[in-house]
Amino acid sequence: DGGITQSPKYLFRKEGQNVTLSCEQNLNHDAMYWYRQDPGQGLRLIYYSQIVNDFQKGDIAEGYSVSREKKESFPLTVTSAQKNPTAFYLCASSIGQTSNQPQHFGDGTRLSIL
Amino acid sequence: DQQVKQNSPSLSVQEGRISILNCDYTNSMFDYFLWYKKYPAEGPTFLISISSIKDKNEDGRFTVFLNKSAKHLSLHIVPSQPGDSAVYFCAANNQAGTALIFGKGTTLSVSS
Repeated sequence: DGGITQSPKYLFRKEGQNVTLSCEQNLNHDAMYWYRQDPGQGLRLIYYSQIVNDFQKGDIAEGYSVSREKKESFPLTVTSAQKNPTAFYLCASSIGQTSNQPQHFGDGTRLSIL
Repeated sequence: DQQVKQNSPSLSVQEGRISILNCDYTNSMFDYFLWYKKYPAEGPTFLISISSIKDKNEDGRFTVFLNKSAKHLSLHIVPSQPGDSAVYFCAANNQAGTALIFGKGTTLSVSS
C-alpha cells in the first residue's frame, strides 16, 4: 500500500536534547512538508522540500532542521533551541509544487518533554 | 494575522440532517481550496477540493461551495452520519503554490 509513514508515534525529549522524527513516503511524490499542530490550532508549516537536496523554511522554522537526501525521506530534527517543542507533528507529501494538488498526510508523531 | 478562518469551533447536527461548515479567507490571490477531516491522534485525510475557476464541487455526500466575491467557502455534508464526527480543516494553497495555509478547524459532532 502506498502511503506516508511517520515514526515513532510517541516521542519524549529531555531538556537540552535533540530528537529526530522520521517521515518516509512510497508515493513517488516530489514535495514533502512538515507541520506542527497545537491544541485548538490549525497546522503551521515548519519546513518544506520540493525536490531532493533542497528545502525551504516555513512559517515557524526556528529551532528545527531538516534534510532531504532521498526522495522518499524527509526527517525533522527538533533541536534544543526549540523552546516549546511539545506538539503533534505531521508530515505530508504531494505530487509536486503545482497548484491543484492535495497534500497527503501521515498519522503524526506526538512529542512531549520529560 | 489569520489568512484562513473557521469562526465556528464546533457544530452539532443530528444524523440524517445537513452539516454546513464555513470558512473565510482574506487573500484574494488564493486559487485552490481544500477540506480535510481529522480524527484524534491521526493525520488529516483529504476530503474534497475546489479550484477558484469553479463555484461548486461535489463528491458523493460532500459538496464544497466557493463564493469568491465574499471570500467564503463552505462544506455541505448530506446526509450527516455519526462517522462524520471529526475535526474539519479548511485550507488554501498559498500564492507561491508551495504549501497549504490551514484554518483552526471545526469540530463536527453528529448524533444518532
